Amino acid sequence: DAGVIQSPRHEVTEMGQEVTLRCKPISGHDYLFWYRQTMMRGLELLIYFNNNVPIDDSGMPEDRFSAKMPNASFSTLKIQPSEPRDSAVYFCASSPQGAEAFFGQGTRLTVV
Amino acid sequence: GQQLNQSPQSMFIQEGEDVSMNCTSSSIFNTWLWYKQDPGEGPVLLIALYKAGELTSNGRLTAQFGITRKDSFLNISASIPSDVGIYFCAGQLGDYKLSFGAGTTVTVRA
Repeated sequence: DAGVIQSPRHEVTEMGQEVTLRCKPISGHDYLFWYRQTMMRGLELLIYFNNNVPIDDSGMPEDRFSAKMPNASFSTLKIQPSEPRDSAVYFCASSPQGAEAFFGQGTRLTVV
Repeated sequence: GQQLNQSPQSMFIQEGEDVSMNCTSSSIFNTWLWYKQDPGEGPVLLIALYKAGELTSNGRLTAQFGITRKDSFLNISASIPSDVGIYFCAGQLGDYKLSFGAGTTVTVRA
């Protein structure tokens, strides 16, 4: 199993631009999570899906953030427009039952 | 989410030493998880605990789910250089949302 696959690994963009982060969960996992990691706030849950349906998006910081899961093997996290304070490492994780989450390698986003 | 207090914040290890770290919360959890993160990588699950009082081992790692359901500890026995990294505890109450501690950074003593 290839594990959770995220792309790109690194993204540098200018303030105001749209950014799209991608995730392929582990096959057969029903739960998909998006986390953000910063020095100041640590690991924070942004949103999670169960069977492709968004269940809890209370962690999404603003309307500039949106996430979709069009099918069981793909999810996106979009930021539009991006701001410097969005700079962080964004992780996607998947889980077969919801308890044990398996993380991808992350996307390091830098907004200048 | 619930706040987890993880300690120590950092520690130095010497090869062969046993090390211990813990996590406490003001809230109870149904599940405790321990993760390790290497630089530039995502957290990797080490041990999952599902029952109060449960003691689980994974190689040189041992973790326990506290009886009160508000704490957990992780022990590493006979540490080796590749044990360096950041260790995170995480608690889950039942809605599948994990609350993470701030991490314990383990480095090798020079």
